Amino acid sequence: LAKTTQPISMDSYEGQEVNITCSHNNIATNDYITWYQQFPSQGPRFIIQGYKTKVTNEVASLFIPADRKSSTLSLPRVSLSDTAVYYCLVGDGNTDKLIFGTGTRLQVFP
Amino acid sequence: DSGVTQTPKHLITATGQRVTLRCSPRSGDLSVYWYQQSLDQGLQFLIQYYNGEERAKGNILERFSAQQFPDLHSELNLSSLELGDSALYFCASSVTSGGGETQYFGPGTRLLVL
Repeated sequence: LAKTTQPISMDSYEGQEVNITCSHNNIATNDYITWYQQFPSQGPRFIIQGYKTKVTNEVASLFIPADRKSSTLSLPRVSLSDTAVYYCLVGDGNTDKLIFGTGTRLQVFP
Repeated sequence: DSGVTQTPKHLITATGQRVTLRCSPRSGDLSVYWYQQSLDQGLQFLIQYYNGEERAKGNILERFSAQQFPDLHSELNLSSLELGDSALYFCASSVTSGGGETQYFGPGTRLLVL
């Protein structure tokens, strides 16, 4: 199965930009990369999705290199309310199973 | 609010028992996914249904089964429960089943097996 790994945790301060990387070394050729945010005791919430290069929406940007073996979620000017766990989700190239990354716990300080 | 509903919110049961978790997808969504989230395993994909048919299978145990009904709601059945089955169970829905579909997650059912 593909290994989909993320840093366990990151700390930041309000107003800073945060970049969280997900490594997915065996992503399915036709699959998208999706990022979710999860607060305690809640279901994951969609942030952004992309297939290649760069995608931007009102809350984040997603950078995907040409080989698609990793992706980077960029949160501009984080606030305290961005404290959460962030997951990437990809499809495995061999099994087509959906695999969540290991999750990154982001703590934003005042 | 994602528009996906799950019942019950909490469930406490004993080892060896059987439970059924229910999920109602967003209006118009044909695909339903089930996930398990535990402290040691993280978020694990269990199974996906699309318009009543099983579409993809993940790390679902043989003791677990699911189905999607004609009205598109889905049920996840967990039997011969073990302590290790204690977890949060999420369902998610999407409009179709192809790549690039955004999944909308429900609030989850917290299962505690004693």
